Amino acid sequence: DGGITQSPKYLFRKEGQNVTLSCEQNLNHDAMYWYRQDPGQGLRLIYYSQIVNDFQKGDIAEGYSVSREKKESFPLTVTSAQKNPTAFYLCASSRGQTSGNTIYFGEGSWLTVV
Amino acid sequence: ILNVEQSPQSLHVQEGDSTNFTCGFPSSNFYALHWYRWETAKSPEALFVMTLNGDEKKKGRISATLNTKEGYSYLYIKGSQPEDSATYLCAFRNFGNEKLTFGTGTRLTIIP
Repeated sequence: DGGITQSPKYLFRKEGQNVTLSCEQNLNHDAMYWYRQDPGQGLRLIYYSQIVNDFQKGDIAEGYSVSREKKESFPLTVTSAQKNPTAFYLCASSRGQTSGNTIYFGEGSWLTVV
Repeated sequence: ILNVEQSPQSLHVQEGDSTNFTCGFPSSNFYALHWYRWETAKSPEALFVMTLNGDEKKKGRISATLNTKEGYSYLYIKGSQPEDSATYLCAFRNFGNEKLTFGTGTRLTIIP
């Protein structure tokens, strides 16, 4: 089945540790995205990538890093510099950045930092 | 910072009744408006992508309208069923901006 796979679904980490969330898609999409959701807020864009080996900061990129070495993979690293890392993280992809391109989402990863 | 407002925040509807809710967005430099349905423990699922003023799209019992001049879109559900229970998200994009801005969603609960 085509889709977006995020792992792990639940992750607990100690404060000060970096963690990496995996996102893989087999939809042959060029564009990939990372969003974060906090209670009472809309999805906020962390980073996005329109093509392999290229990515741009979203609205809340501080404390995060990404890479796009392969078309199908867009891992997100939550670094120790992220002040409030506990959140729900959603990965998504689309054919491209044009207006009519639907965005497809993974099922998300819950990160809890203690 | 773009403001996308959805109302109401939550809604309880009796099974069989019809309902609607709103997404408000900036009316200038409109490019596209997306609607998604997000069921608990699942991925958000695309419902509609709307790009033209006056657009009306339909998918089964769900339909949406778009007014870009006044900056709002309505989502309608006819004859609500329990499986319609979900959070409905809208997302807006304007010209010159590659990013979608999401609203906080309307949480719909259908009462059997």
